[in-house]
Amino acid sequence: NAGVTQTPKFQVLKTGQSMTLQCAQDMNHEYMSWYRQDPGMGLRLIHYSVGAGITDQGEVPNGYNVSRSTTEDFPLRLLSAAPSQTSVYFCASKDTGTVNYGYTFGSGTRLTVV
Amino acid sequence: AQKITQTQPGMFVQEKEAVTLDCTYDTSDPSYGLFWYKQPSSGEMIFLIYQGSYDQQNATEGRYSLNFQKARKSANLVISASQLGDSAMYFCAMRERDQGAQKLVFGQGTRLTINP
Repeated sequence: NAGVTQTPKFQVLKTGQSMTLQCAQDMNHEYMSWYRQDPGMGLRLIHYSVGAGITDQGEVPNGYNVSRSTTEDFPLRLLSAAPSQTSVYFCASKDTGTVNYGYTFGSGTRLTVV
Repeated sequence: AQKITQTQPGMFVQEKEAVTLDCTYDTSDPSYGLFWYKQPSSGEMIFLIYQGSYDQQNATEGRYSLNFQKARKSANLVISASQLGDSAMYFCAMRERDQGAQKLVFGQGTRLTINP
């Protein structure tokens, strides 16, 4: 089925561990982004990409790295996990050729750092 | 400063009543878009409705309508004839151009509970 696929759905990390959250879309969307959702704070933009080879920082980029080697994939890397990174992470993509609709969200990754 | 403000942390409504969820926004971009998303307890983000800044008419999608008051920078979501399945978190979001890139910014959300 077409859409945005995030893996894993759940993850528990120990402080200091590293991991990569995967995001893949098969809609040929140029724009991809990562958000984190914390209780009472809505979704906040971490990093985004407007196309392969192009990435930029969002509102809360510290502690996260991204790369965009292909149009389909936009992984989010935590180099040294901290308890403050416990959150639900959403990946979203958009067809930059449209102004409405367009933002498609993955089902989320619930990350706990202990 | 908050770009999207949702002033109602929680709302309780009787089934079959209409409900209005408030959203105000702030932007200097003349070409922006406003979205409402629903997040049920299962956690996925479900797109509901979109309003462009140049759209002359209020957007409607089934039981959802967006009361767009541009001068007041207001984009309230109206749900008619509420149903038990409407119980969820609702997020208002704005797409704007910031430093040359389009970004989607979210409000803090309103938790809507429909009582039978």
